[in-house]
Amino acid sequence: KNQVEQSPQSLIILEGKNCTLQCNYTVSPFSNLRWYKQDTGRGPVSLTIMTFSENTKSNGRYTATLDADTKQSSLHITASQLSDSASYICVVSEGNQFYFGTGTSLTVIP
Amino acid sequence: NAGVTQTPKFRILKIGQSMTLQCTQDMNHNYMYWYRQDPGMGLKLIYYSVGAGITDKGEVPNGYNVSRSTTEDFPLRLELAAPSQTSVYFCASSGLTGGQETQYFGPGTRLLVL
Repeated sequence: KNQVEQSPQSLIILEGKNCTLQCNYTVSPFSNLRWYKQDTGRGPVSLTIMTFSENTKSNGRYTATLDADTKQSSLHITASQLSDSASYICVVSEGNQFYFGTGTSLTVIP
Repeated sequence: NAGVTQTPKFRILKIGQSMTLQCTQDMNHNYMYWYRQDPGMGLKLIYYSVGAGITDKGEVPNGYNVSRSTTEDFPLRLELAAPSQTSVYFCASSGLTGGQETQYFGPGTRLLVL
């Protein structure tokens, strides 16, 4: 069964600190892996997209890594800001089939 | 481009009422999707379409219907609203961006069934 699991479920960090979110998946084969940011009451917005051959992809303070052998990905947020408070969703796709994780809720406090 | 737009933003329905959630995209994408997201949960696929005239069921299609008469529009129909359909509904479309299949989401429709 194709599954995407994320950890932790929720996380609280101080402004300015770094954090890392985890994503494990069983989707095989897969086309690419995405990390989305979903602000409360909004639709998800794409942060990074990686194919199975890519190991890392950055978007500003967001850096995603991918280990296709162990089927693990991580999203590292550097120097967190209050605006980073959101849910972060890992999505693994096989063609046009998308498999969603349940997300990690991140709260950044001053 | 406006991207993916959804209307209404919020709606309250009584049990047994019907309504249509509208979704439009202006990116000429063939693939479109409807998801629901319950509080604290991930997105679940209701229906999807691979092009005008073609629709298929997703993970949770019961209680919903869709149609795809044009590339741009993909409305979701609730015929007999039930409290279990209280959720936030997201429409999405996908197409190639920079050589990779990318999914774009609308802002969502919040539905409350009482």
